[in-house]
Amino acid sequence: GENVEQHPSTLSVQEGDSAVIKCTYSDSASNYFPWYKQELGKRPQLIIDIRSNVGEKKDQRIAVTLNKTAKHFSLHITETQPEDSAVYFCAATRGAPGGSYIPTFGRGTSLIVHP
Amino acid sequence: GAGVSQSPSNKVTEKGKDVELRCDPISGHTALYWYRQSLGQGLEFLIYFQGNSAPDKSGLPSDRFSAERTGGSVSTLTIQRTQQEDSAVYLCASSRGGVWDEQYFGPGTRLTVT
Repeated sequence: GENVEQHPSTLSVQEGDSAVIKCTYSDSASNYFPWYKQELGKRPQLIIDIRSNVGEKKDQRIAVTLNKTAKHFSLHITETQPEDSAVYFCAATRGAPGGSYIPTFGRGTSLIVHP
Repeated sequence: GAGVSQSPSNKVTEKGKDVELRCDPISGHTALYWYRQSLGQGLEFLIYFQGNSAPDKSGLPSDRFSAERTGGSVSTLTIQRTQQEDSAVYLCASSRGGVWDEQYFGPGTRLTVT
């Protein structure tokens, strides 16, 4: 089955710095890669995603890159703010019967942004 | 509109007891998922429903775990003869069921087995 590795497990930055979280996956059939943000005590929420036919996607301060050949994808957050502090999960997904998808998640990165 | 809801929010049970966890998906969402999140771990897929059928149960860790969905809406995850290693947060998510459709998560049920 799919295996997703996520690094680093903890990332501490100063406000205004950039943060990069990297994930690798094993199944070349994976074709959709969502990223979730989970604040302490709250539910995970989708923040950005990328499909396998796209190499990069950007949404304001957040960007995601995908290298299908190397089977890795990364989340980039620029100009970090204290409210970016949370656990971030990457996922690689496989198609599911009936048209949806099943994600395999990384173990998460705890991002701490110091004011 | 209303998001995904789960009940109870917290459940403490004794080892060996059965528990039922409930998920109410967003109205109209055909796909429903159950995940387990242990302390410091990522989300572990358990089971996926499309309508009332469960075409992928590959994540259920043992035959003590089962789930059903009725009327294409509410789902119940049942854990029989609970063990301490079952302690975790159980999250439910729903989506419109398409290839790229976003999964919306519920707040989770924190299960503690003593």
